[in-house]
Amino acid sequence: LAKTTQPISMDSYEGQEVNITCSHNNIATNDYITWYQQFPSQGPRFIIQGYKTKVTNEVASLFIPADRKSSTLSLPRVSLSDTAVYYCLVGGLLDRGSTLGRLYFGRGTQLTVWP
Amino acid sequence: ETGVTQTPRHLVMGMTNKKSLKCEQHLGHNAMYWYKQSAKKPLELMFVYNFKEQTENNSVPSRFSPECPNSSHLFLHLHTLQPEDSALYLCASSFRGDTQYFGPGTRLTVL
Repeated sequence: LAKTTQPISMDSYEGQEVNITCSHNNIATNDYITWYQQFPSQGPRFIIQGYKTKVTNEVASLFIPADRKSSTLSLPRVSLSDTAVYYCLVGGLLDRGSTLGRLYFGRGTQLTVWP
Repeated sequence: ETGVTQTPRHLVMGMTNKKSLKCEQHLGHNAMYWYKQSAKKPLELMFVYNFKEQTENNSVPSRFSPECPNSSHLFLHLHTLQPEDSALYLCASSFRGDTQYFGPGTRLTVL
Protein backbone atom coordinates (compact mmCIF):
# COMPACT_ATOMS: atom_id res chain seq x y z
CA LEU A 1 0.00 0.00 0.00
CA ALA A 2 1.67 3.23 -1.18
CA LYS A 3 0.85 5.42 1.80
CA THR A 4 1.61 9.09 1.67
CA THR A 5 3.02 11.58 4.15
CA GLN A 6 2.19 15.28 4.04
CA PRO A 7 2.55 18.20 6.45
CA ILE A 8 -0.54 18.51 8.63
CA SER A 9 -0.89 22.23 8.06
CA MET A 10 0.56 25.20 6.23
CA ASP A 11 -0.08 28.92 6.36
CA SER A 12 0.37 31.47 3.63
CA TYR A 13 -0.66 34.98 2.66
CA GLU A 14 -2.62 36.09 -0.34
CA GLY A 15 -0.56 36.43 -3.48
CA GLN A 16 2.20 34.06 -2.38
CA GLU A 17 3.21 30.81 -4.03
CA VAL A 18 2.55 27.72 -1.94
CA ASN A 19 4.38 24.43 -2.30
CA ILE A 20 3.07 21.31 -0.58
CA THR A 21 5.29 18.26 -0.62
CA CYS A 22 4.10 14.68 -0.34
CA SER A 23 6.29 11.65 0.36
CA HIS A 24 5.38 8.27 -1.15
CA ASN A 25 8.42 6.06 -0.73
CA ASN A 26 6.63 2.84 -1.72
CA ILE A 27 5.15 4.10 -4.96
CA ALA A 28 4.76 1.35 -7.55
CA THR A 29 5.80 1.49 -11.19
CA ASN A 30 2.25 1.85 -12.49
CA ASP A 31 1.08 4.33 -9.83
CA TYR A 32 0.03 7.83 -10.72
CA ILE A 33 0.15 10.76 -8.29
CA THR A 34 -3.03 12.75 -7.89
CA TRP A 35 -3.85 15.78 -5.79
CA TYR A 36 -7.28 16.72 -4.52
CA GLN A 37 -8.71 19.78 -2.79
CA GLN A 38 -11.50 19.60 -0.24
CA PHE A 39 -13.60 22.34 1.31
CA PRO A 40 -15.59 21.68 4.51
CA SER A 41 -18.66 19.48 4.02
CA GLN A 42 -17.92 18.92 0.34
CA GLY A 43 -16.42 16.07 -1.64
CA PRO A 44 -12.77 16.30 -2.70
CA ARG A 45 -12.17 17.92 -6.06
CA PHE A 46 -9.49 16.81 -8.52
CA ILE A 47 -6.67 19.34 -8.99
CA ILE A 48 -3.89 17.69 -10.96
CA GLN A 49 -2.36 14.34 -11.81
CA GLY A 50 1.04 13.25 -13.02
CA TYR A 51 3.39 10.34 -13.45
CA LYS A 52 6.83 11.93 -13.72
CA THR A 53 8.65 15.25 -14.25
CA LYS A 54 6.32 18.24 -14.38
CA VAL A 55 2.66 18.76 -15.11
CA THR A 56 0.92 22.13 -15.27
CA ASN A 57 -2.69 23.11 -15.67
CA GLU A 58 -4.68 26.28 -15.16
CA VAL A 59 -4.70 26.04 -11.38
CA ALA A 60 -1.51 24.28 -10.27
CA SER A 61 1.77 22.62 -11.15
CA LEU A 62 3.00 19.23 -10.04
CA PHE A 63 6.69 18.48 -9.75
CA ILE A 64 7.85 14.86 -9.55
CA PRO A 65 11.55 13.98 -9.23
CA ALA A 66 13.10 11.12 -11.14
CA ASP A 67 12.83 8.62 -8.26
CA ARG A 68 9.11 9.47 -7.85
CA LYS A 69 9.32 9.01 -4.09
CA SER A 70 7.90 12.45 -3.51
CA SER A 71 5.90 15.10 -5.32
CA THR A 72 5.26 18.81 -4.84
CA LEU A 73 2.03 20.60 -5.54
CA SER A 74 2.64 24.24 -6.39
CA LEU A 75 -0.17 26.79 -6.14
CA PRO A 76 0.76 30.15 -7.67
CA ARG A 77 -0.49 33.35 -6.08
CA VAL A 78 -2.95 31.86 -3.62
CA SER A 79 -6.10 33.64 -2.56
CA LEU A 80 -8.37 33.33 0.46
CA SER A 81 -10.55 30.88 -1.47
CA ASP A 82 -7.66 28.44 -1.68
CA THR A 83 -8.01 27.75 2.05
CA ALA A 84 -8.82 24.03 2.07
CA VAL A 85 -7.41 20.59 2.77
CA TYR A 86 -5.14 19.21 0.07
CA TYR A 87 -4.70 15.46 -0.36
CA CYS A 88 -1.98 13.58 -2.17
CA LEU A 89 -3.01 10.17 -3.46
CA VAL A 90 -1.07 7.50 -5.29
CA GLY A 91 -2.67 4.63 -7.12
CA GLY A 92 -2.67 2.55 -10.24
CA LEU A 93 -5.28 1.54 -12.73
CA LEU A 94 -7.66 -1.33 -12.02
CA ASP A 95 -8.22 -4.30 -14.19
CA ARG A 96 -11.35 -6.37 -14.10
CA GLY A 97 -11.21 -8.76 -11.17
CA SER A 98 -8.30 -7.06 -9.43
CA THR A 99 -8.42 -5.80 -5.89
CA LEU A 100 -7.69 -2.29 -4.80
CA GLY A 101 -5.01 -1.83 -2.21
CA ARG A 102 -3.54 1.51 -3.01
CA LEU A 103 -6.35 3.99 -2.37
CA TYR A 104 -5.25 5.97 0.64
CA PHE A 105 -6.06 9.64 1.15
CA GLY A 106 -4.19 10.23 4.37
CA ARG A 107 -4.87 13.23 6.59
CA GLY A 108 -4.08 15.81 3.97
CA THR A 109 -2.60 19.26 4.47
CA GLN A 110 -4.77 22.05 5.83
CA LEU A 111 -3.74 25.16 3.93
CA THR A 112 -4.84 28.44 5.47
CA VAL A 113 -4.44 31.60 3.42
CA TRP A 114 -4.44 34.88 5.35
CA PRO A 115 -5.21 38.35 3.99
CA GLU B 1 -21.03 19.67 -11.72
CA THR B 2 -18.88 16.55 -11.44
CA GLY B 3 -21.38 14.10 -12.86
CA VAL B 4 -21.77 12.29 -9.54
CA THR B 5 -24.97 12.89 -7.62
CA GLN B 6 -25.92 11.79 -4.14
CA THR B 7 -29.27 11.71 -2.41
CA PRO B 8 -30.33 12.70 0.10
CA ARG B 9 -27.93 15.53 0.92
CA HIS B 10 -28.92 15.47 4.57
CA LEU B 11 -30.37 12.64 6.63
CA VAL B 12 -31.36 12.40 10.26
CA MET B 13 -32.28 8.97 11.54
CA GLY B 14 -32.85 7.12 14.76
CA MET B 15 -30.82 4.10 15.77
CA THR B 16 -33.67 1.72 14.92
CA ASN B 17 -34.37 3.14 11.46
CA LYS B 18 -33.50 1.67 8.10
CA LYS B 19 -32.49 4.09 5.39
CA SER B 20 -30.55 4.05 2.15
CA LEU B 21 -28.10 6.44 0.53
CA LYS B 22 -28.05 6.64 -3.24
CA CYS B 23 -25.24 7.55 -5.60
CA GLU B 24 -25.45 7.90 -9.36
CA GLN B 25 -22.71 8.66 -11.84
CA HIS B 26 -23.18 9.83 -15.40
CA LEU B 27 -19.54 9.60 -16.44
CA GLY B 28 -19.37 6.10 -17.87
CA HIS B 29 -17.04 4.94 -15.11
CA ASN B 30 -16.68 1.34 -14.02
CA ALA B 31 -15.50 1.78 -10.41
CA MET B 32 -17.55 3.27 -7.57
CA TYR B 33 -16.61 3.94 -3.98
CA TRP B 34 -18.11 4.76 -0.60
CA TYR B 35 -16.10 6.85 1.84
CA LYS B 36 -16.85 7.98 5.36
CA GLN B 37 -15.52 11.26 6.71
CA SER B 38 -15.99 12.02 10.37
CA ALA B 39 -15.31 15.43 11.82
CA LYS B 40 -11.63 16.35 11.75
CA LYS B 41 -10.67 12.93 10.41
CA PRO B 42 -9.33 11.78 7.05
CA LEU B 43 -11.47 10.06 4.50
CA GLU B 44 -11.98 6.39 5.27
CA LEU B 45 -12.52 4.11 2.32
CA MET B 46 -15.46 1.80 3.08
CA PHE B 47 -16.33 -0.12 -0.07
CA VAL B 48 -15.16 -0.38 -3.64
CA TYR B 49 -17.01 -1.82 -6.60
CA ASN B 50 -15.23 -2.54 -9.86
CA PHE B 51 -17.46 -3.59 -12.76
CA LYS B 52 -20.29 -4.18 -10.24
CA GLU B 53 -18.16 -6.56 -8.18
CA GLN B 54 -17.20 -5.63 -4.65
CA THR B 55 -13.42 -5.64 -4.49
CA GLU B 56 -12.83 -3.95 -1.17
CA ASN B 57 -14.50 -4.00 2.21
CA ASN B 58 -12.44 -2.14 4.75
CA SER B 59 -13.69 -4.02 7.82
CA VAL B 60 -16.91 -2.07 7.77
CA PRO B 61 -19.58 -3.13 10.32
CA SER B 62 -22.46 -5.15 8.90
CA ARG B 63 -24.92 -2.40 9.74
CA PHE B 64 -23.63 -0.81 6.53
CA SER B 65 -24.64 -2.82 3.46
CA PRO B 66 -23.62 -1.70 -0.02
CA GLU B 67 -25.39 -2.56 -3.25
CA CYS B 68 -24.25 -1.95 -6.81
CA PRO B 69 -26.93 -3.03 -9.29
CA ASN B 70 -25.01 -1.61 -12.25
CA SER B 71 -21.96 0.50 -12.97
CA SER B 72 -23.93 3.74 -12.71
CA HIS B 73 -25.68 3.24 -9.37
CA LEU B 74 -24.43 2.58 -5.89
CA PHE B 75 -26.43 2.31 -2.69
CA LEU B 76 -25.50 2.19 0.97
CA HIS B 77 -28.18 0.59 3.09
CA LEU B 78 -28.16 1.66 6.72
CA HIS B 79 -29.60 -0.43 9.53
CA THR B 80 -29.50 0.08 13.32
CA LEU B 81 -26.74 2.65 13.21
CA GLN B 82 -24.97 4.16 16.20
CA PRO B 83 -24.46 7.85 17.01
CA GLU B 84 -20.76 7.48 16.17
CA ASP B 85 -21.78 6.66 12.61
CA SER B 86 -22.76 10.28 12.15
CA ALA B 87 -20.51 11.62 9.40
CA LEU B 88 -20.30 12.84 5.84
CA TYR B 89 -20.68 9.91 3.46
CA LEU B 90 -19.08 10.46 0.10
CA CYS B 91 -19.51 8.54 -3.11
CA ALA B 92 -16.96 8.61 -5.90
CA SER B 93 -16.47 7.00 -9.27
CA SER B 94 -13.52 6.47 -11.56
CA PHE B 95 -12.41 4.75 -14.71
CA ARG B 96 -10.28 1.77 -13.72
CA GLY B 97 -9.05 3.40 -10.53
CA ASP B 98 -7.88 6.56 -12.25
CA THR B 99 -8.93 10.04 -11.08
CA GLN B 100 -11.88 9.81 -8.72
CA TYR B 101 -14.81 12.15 -9.09
CA PHE B 102 -16.71 12.77 -5.90
CA GLY B 103 -20.32 13.55 -5.22
CA PRO B 104 -21.39 16.30 -2.81
CA GLY B 105 -21.89 13.85 0.03
CA THR B 106 -24.71 12.98 2.42
CA ARG B 107 -24.51 14.50 5.87
CA LEU B 108 -25.82 11.77 8.17
CA THR B 109 -26.87 12.37 11.76
CA VAL B 110 -27.80 9.41 13.94
CA LEU B 111 -29.79 10.29 17.03
